[in-house]
Amino acid sequence: DQQVKQNSPSLSVQEGRISILNCDYTNSMFDYFLWYKKYPAEGPTFLISISSIKDKNEDGRFTVFLNKSAKHLSLHIVPSQPGDSAVYFCAATSRVGQLTFGSGTQLTVLP
Amino acid sequence: EAGVAQSPRYKIIEKRQSVAFWCNPISGHATLYWYQQILGQGPKLLIQFQNNGVVDDSQLPKDRFSAERLKGVDSTLKIQPAKLEDSAVYLCASSLLTGSKIERKLFFGSGTQLSVL
Repeated sequence: DQQVKQNSPSLSVQEGRISILNCDYTNSMFDYFLWYKKYPAEGPTFLISISSIKDKNEDGRFTVFLNKSAKHLSLHIVPSQPGDSAVYFCAATSRVGQLTFGSGTQLTVLP
Repeated sequence: EAGVAQSPRYKIIEKRQSVAFWCNPISGHATLYWYQQILGQGPKLLIQFQNNGVVDDSQLPKDRFSAERLKGVDSTLKIQPAKLEDSAVYLCASSLLTGSKIERKLFFGSGTQLSVL
């Protein structure tokens, strides 16, 4: 029972263009969403989050959008840089600390 | 600020052997988590501690996995006996407790890559 789904295992984008990573969830009790970035042989690092009372949160080149009615969130990276190449995990929680993760999307930014 | 420390980084064992992983969370973080990440999947929560008490261990296979956090600081996760399907990265994470509220942003260690042959 996958409550958080990332349907695209991989995404390739040209440097300077926009990267859009998508995530869908099924549990309507989720009220806080996070994106983590993971490089090989390292642990996931926090990138950006959004509460269900908002529909957008921005931090520099990273913007997360939340569509509660569609149970969908997306991460936009503009402009994409080669250093952004990593696996991106979407996570959701309805209780403090109980993160449920998606399966991840491998982003490759081509120079 | 020092991050979450985990050891060892890699471990290779044969099935039916036992193995233990160690984690030291960020100083001052009362909440500690162990996650299992199988290749191609997202991390899955095994157990959550608050101080030295267990908050949630519903996903921990208790017939072979055990975890403890005796003094409310560092923690050990053990597998005995190991099975082939236990091959995964074991991630430790911690978060801050502010008053009675657990911060939802988790900080992860680099993980232990376990291979069971």
